[in-house]
Amino acid sequence: NAGVTQTPKFQVLKTGQSMTLQCAQDMNHEYMSWYRQDPGMGLRLIHYSVGAGITDQGEVPNGYNVSRSTTEDFPLRLLSAAPSQTSVYFCASTTGTINEQFFGPGTRLTVL
Amino acid sequence: TQLLEQSPQFLSIQEGENLTVYCNSSSVFSSLQWYRQEPGEGPVLLVTVVTGGEVKKLKRLTFQFGDARKDSSLHITAAQPGDTGLYLCAGEGNDMRFGAGTRLTVKP
Repeated sequence: NAGVTQTPKFQVLKTGQSMTLQCAQDMNHEYMSWYRQDPGMGLRLIHYSVGAGITDQGEVPNGYNVSRSTTEDFPLRLLSAAPSQTSVYFCASTTGTINEQFFGPGTRLTVL
Repeated sequence: TQLLEQSPQFLSIQEGENLTVYCNSSSVFSSLQWYRQEPGEGPVLLVTVVTGGEVKKLKRLTFQFGDARKDSSLHITAAQPGDTGLYLCAGEGNDMRFGAGTRLTVKP
């Protein structure tokens, strides 16, 4: 199993550009989530999904969209990037009933 | 907002020393997890505690969940350079909330 994979590893955008961060898991987990990690602030939940076709907002959803058309994939879209979205983004998938999360390696995004 | 506060923020010790890091909240959590994160990688789950007062041991690491399920501690015995990393706690409530972490450096 590859676990949770994320692409790209690094990305630089200009303000106003759009892009999609890809996340895939091969563990057949129903629950997937996106976090951003900023210095001194820990990981903050952006959006999550409890299964294909179902998504919901987390703590900091503004500026981000998600969709979940399959169990395996959970892409995160930035429609109009802003410098405040410069961060490291982690995707996670969860097994079991007590939310033991498996994280991907992260995408480091810089918005100029 | 379920805020998790971790202390200390930074900790630098010599190999062989013992240490304890803390994770505190005013909120009650149904479970609490500890992760370790190394530079350039995602967090990796170390342990999940569920029951108030629960103590779990993982080799030289001892995790305790407070009786009221609001706080937790991680104790490392005889720290080694391989223990260096960012230690994060995460509480399960309405969703998962993470603390900002304790950055541990163990010097050889």
